[in-house]
Amino acid sequence: GAVVSQHPSRVICKSGTSVKIECRSLDFQATTMFWYRQFPKQSLMLMATSNEGSKATYEQGVEKDKFLINHASLTLSTLTVTSAHPEDSSFYICSATTDSGTVQETQYFGPGTRLLVL
Amino acid sequence: AQSVTQLGSHVSVSEGALVLLRCNYSSSVPPYLFWYVQYPNQGLQLLLKYTSAATLVKGINGFEAEFKKSETSFHLTKPSAHMSDAAEYFCAVSDLNDMRFGAGTRLTVKP
Repeated sequence: GAVVSQHPSRVICKSGTSVKIECRSLDFQATTMFWYRQFPKQSLMLMATSNEGSKATYEQGVEKDKFLINHASLTLSTLTVTSAHPEDSSFYICSATTDSGTVQETQYFGPGTRLLVL
Repeated sequence: AQSVTQLGSHVSVSEGALVLLRCNYSSSVPPYLFWYVQYPNQGLQLLLKYTSAATLVKGINGFEAEFKKSETSFHLTKPSAHMSDAAEYFCAVSDLNDMRFGAGTRLTVKP
């Protein structure tokens, strides 16, 4: 099956610094990647949809200047949390799809990245 | 806008017993419905999805779900629980543009 990796799996940073999270599709070309955020004991919330070579589409309430998404190739998307604060601490999960790029298609999820901002 | 409600944040069953995880949805258009499983500190894995074809959908690991429009439900079942089924399960609904997840149900399997 299709495999999606994320790096790093866990990161601790100081408040005010920026953190970059990578999402890679290892054995397929991902036309679209999705970024989710999951708070403890809560569900996933879609943050943005990322298409290769174009600007990401952000969900309402998600600050695009704070959560920078770059989808430079068909196998790599990055999420940069700029000037991170403790309230940004969360579990960030990416997913990728090979088909039409809509949320209805099968999404392959990465293992997630746990961010802790001190 | 669509939404999902998962009844029961925690379900506990004995090994070999029936698993029933409940999911009700709300959608203004014919929905696509999904069940995902999440093991600790891991991403999500698709169990099954409904895309307006057969109302009874079979997935991996022996799970299945039935779409009932009249009840706006998409409950997940498995005839016989296995210890390895212990995980967090998420129901999700999507329209053309968006996917919304339920709050999740933690399944515990007792030996």
